[in-house]
Amino acid sequence: DTGVSQDPRHKITKRGQNVTFRCDPISEHNRLYWYRQTLGQGPEFLTYFQNEAQLEKSRLLSDRFSAERPKGSFSTLEIQRTEQGDSAMYLCASSTNSNQPQHFGDGTRLSIL
Amino acid sequence: QKEVEQDPGPLSVPEGAIVSLNCTYSNSAFQYFMWYRQYSRKGPELLMYTYSSGNKEDGRFTAQVDKSSKYISLFIRDSQPSDSATYLCAMNVGGSNYKLTFGKGTLLTVNP
Repeated sequence: DTGVSQDPRHKITKRGQNVTFRCDPISEHNRLYWYRQTLGQGPEFLTYFQNEAQLEKSRLLSDRFSAERPKGSFSTLEIQRTEQGDSAMYLCASSTNSNQPQHFGDGTRLSIL
Repeated sequence: QKEVEQDPGPLSVPEGAIVSLNCTYSNSAFQYFMWYRQYSRKGPELLMYTYSSGNKEDGRFTAQVDKSSKYISLFIRDSQPSDSATYLCAMNVGGSNYKLTFGKGTLLTVNP
C-alpha cells in the first residue's frame, strides 16, 4: 500500500494560464475524490469518481474546472484560465467504497501570481 | 450556520497533557465520523473512524460520538511534541452520500 500520490506538489503559475494536476489513488480503490483546501479552512468537496464515471460535481467546480479518470485508475484535474481565487491546496482522496474512510494524498499547492 | 463547527484554536499545551478537541454539527443524518491529523504542507492523515454513537480507543487516542447532542470529541492522552498539528473533524451520511464535510480544524501545539 503506497498511499495516494499527487503530482506536482507545488505549482506556481501566472493568472490566465492552464494547469493540470495528477492523482494516483491507492491501488484497488475504485472511488476517487477531489477536494480543495484554502488557508485556515477544512477541505471542501469538489468532485467524485467511481471507477471511470464522474458521479458528482460540486457547485464549487466552475466550468473552468474539468476532471477525468480514464480507465478508472489515475485522475487529472485541469483548471483553465486560472484566477487568483484558485490559489489553494488541491487534495485527492480514495476509498474502496462509500462507507470506508477516505485516504488523502499530500496535495498539490497552487499559487497564482 | 455551518454544518460542522470546530474551534480553530490555537491550542497550546505542555507535553504529557490530556488534550480535548471537539466538533458540533447540525445535520442529524451524519452517521460516519472521522478525525484527521494534518501536518503543515501535508495532506490529512486518518486518525480515527467511527460509526454512530459511542467511544473508540486506539492507543493514546479516544474518539467519542454523541449523536443526541450532535457532538464529537477526540482525546489525546500523554500528548507529545510530535502531536503538534492541525486536527480536522469530518463526517458524512454514508451510503450513496460519500462527501466528507470538514470542520475548520484546530491547531494544536504541544510544548516540550
